[in-house]
Amino acid sequence: GQNIDQPTEMTATEGAIVQINCTYQTSGFNGLFWYQQHAGEAPTFLSYNVLDGLEEKGRFSSFLSRSKGYSYLLLKELQMKDSASYLCAAYQTGANNLFFGTGTRLTVIP
Amino acid sequence: DTAVSQTPKYLVTQMGNDKSIKCEQNLGHDTMYWYKQDSKKFLKIMFSYNNKELIINETVPNRFSPKSPDKAHLNLHINSLELGDSAVYFCASSQERGGSSPLHFGNGTRLTVT
Repeated sequence: GQNIDQPTEMTATEGAIVQINCTYQTSGFNGLFWYQQHAGEAPTFLSYNVLDGLEEKGRFSSFLSRSKGYSYLLLKELQMKDSASYLCAAYQTGANNLFFGTGTRLTVIP
Repeated sequence: DTAVSQTPKYLVTQMGNDKSIKCEQNLGHDTMYWYKQDSKKFLKIMFSYNNKELIINETVPNRFSPKSPDKAHLNLHINSLELGDSAVYFCASSQERGGSSPLHFGNGTRLTVT
């Protein structure tokens, strides 16, 4: 089975840093994805972690701890356009499938 | 060029009708998927196809049937539509069957059943 938890909503100020946490319990876990979804649009790929540690990609970074079943997405120098839902998804080897959390709706305010 | 395209974008229909949603990808990917996103924005896998073979079939009603004429297309046919089928349906593709390949999503089809 699988269980993925992330906060429902977060608010942060333009120019600031925000960390969106995700915890997962997935049998046969083999990778953690983060996707961004603007309202009314398709999810778009942000990052992928399979080994422990931090992956940095511009203003966005993603961290994974397999032993703790924990990941976070770090957004720096927030811009208004970063207001979106951020979806955490865990890959399960047995089911050969990607399971999504319910997403965190981030609102960036001036 | 649109990588993953699905039609129609909006679909409004009455209970009991049969409808189809089409999906095409021009990325040369081997695996295609259908996801359902409900009103709470929860994205759930429905089906996936790898080289025209169904490899995942989640516990969805058999009123839903995926059809893949070739590896670039994965259509979704729904029989006897019900109110609870109202949702946004996303088609997606990935390069490989394995978990390291990110999904590329289409823009979604918003289905409203009245």
